Amino acid sequence: NAGVMQNPRHLVRRRGQEARLRCSPMKGHSHVYWYRQLPEEGLKFMVYLQKENIIDESGMPKERFSAEFPKEGPSILRIQQVVRGDSAAYFCASSPARVHGYTFGSGTRLTVV
Amino acid sequence: DQQVKQNSPSLSVQEGRISILNCDYTNSMFDYFLWYKKYPAEGPTFLISISSIKDKNEDGRFTVFLNKSAKHLSLHIVPSQPGDSAVYFCAACSRLTFGEGTQLTVNP
Repeated sequence: NAGVMQNPRHLVRRRGQEARLRCSPMKGHSHVYWYRQLPEEGLKFMVYLQKENIIDESGMPKERFSAEFPKEGPSILRIQQVVRGDSAAYFCASSPARVHGYTFGSGTRLTVV
Repeated sequence: DQQVKQNSPSLSVQEGRISILNCDYTNSMFDYFLWYKKYPAEGPTFLISISSIKDKNEDGRFTVFLNKSAKHLSLHIVPSQPGDSAVYFCAACSRLTFGEGTQLTVNP
């Protein structure tokens, strides 16, 4: 029973490129959450998704960021036209229901050069 | 608007002593609280939780105390071990909201 799988573990992008971060939730989990940890800061909520639905995106920057959780396949966090300030660790968590039981992945470390 | 606050960015204790990590929250709608532990280059791992209907939950060396009137919770680790050295995050639900984290260092 694999945990939450995130890939890639490390991603380097030049300014202006696109970054696509993938998250496969634990088996049986239909709720996915994305968090971002900027250097020297705590974990900040970005978006909460269920299959094919965005439930809460109040933590997402208004531009360049989008997320999806399709019926089949992993959840994708997409950052268009990356800037240096996007460099951070992005963590995905999944849970079987709306409350509690969150399990985190190991994160994707995005570096924008 | 930081709804969950951990005011101590770091804490250093001697092996065998008690570690006390503190957390304050502002949203009275939070009904469930969790502590996560995080090692460098890894994702957070769940440690212990407490429902708002309780004031204490114990699991081995880890005990979490909740003071609802003060909107304060704390994590006690007794006895502390060098392997406990990590960043500890306090989190609150309904939507999982994290504090800034406290770096605990346990010195042998």
